[in-house]
Amino acid sequence: KAGVTQTPRYLIKTRGQQVTLSCSPISGHRSVSWYQQTPGQGLQFLFEYFSETQRNKGNFPGRFSGRQFSNSRSEMNVSTLELGDSALYLCASSLSQGEGYGYTFGSGTRLTVV
Amino acid sequence: KNEVEQSPQNLTAQEGEFITINCSYSVGISALHWLQQHPGGGIVSLFMLSSGKKKHGRLIATINIQEKHSSLHITASHPRDSAVYICAVRQNTNAGKSTFGDGTTLTVKP
Repeated sequence: KAGVTQTPRYLIKTRGQQVTLSCSPISGHRSVSWYQQTPGQGLQFLFEYFSETQRNKGNFPGRFSGRQFSNSRSEMNVSTLELGDSALYLCASSLSQGEGYGYTFGSGTRLTVV
Repeated sequence: KNEVEQSPQNLTAQEGEFITINCSYSVGISALHWLQQHPGGGIVSLFMLSSGKKKHGRLIATINIQEKHSSLHITASHPRDSAVYICAVRQNTNAGKSTFGDGTTLTVKP
């Protein structure tokens, strides 16, 4: 069974640009969550989607947004990129929402802002 | 003070040793996860706990809800266990926000 697929794997953008990252969950998984990982801050929760609705949101500025489609695929968008947005962006999918469900991570998109 | 604290930050062991990584948290949680991240970024979810103890192969995870503490144990450690181990909690308030520890970097020498 295919895992969580994130595209692209690597991305280089210029400060001020915007970027869209994609996450395709495991087939049948309806919950997708996004995380940012940097050497300084570690792993931080961005947001979680379930059935096309954002259910939880971390402490990130409004430049970070996301959405989920009816097929459970999710995208996250970062507008007006800053150098500090350089990070590994990970998504994870779960069968459903809630503490009873484990989640599977994708390999991540490594974003470099120059 | 972080809501999730892990110790130790770094750990070096000889192959075959028994390893313990600790996680303490200060918030109410609905679940705690132990994650493993190898160089290159890939993250694997090892365990999800809300009570008691779970075992998978050489890995054992325990949680004490009253003491707000969890431990990850690795028996008969092997160099392939070298990775960063991250404790993550899902809060039972704050809209179920996930919070992560800073990770424990484990190096197992042959």
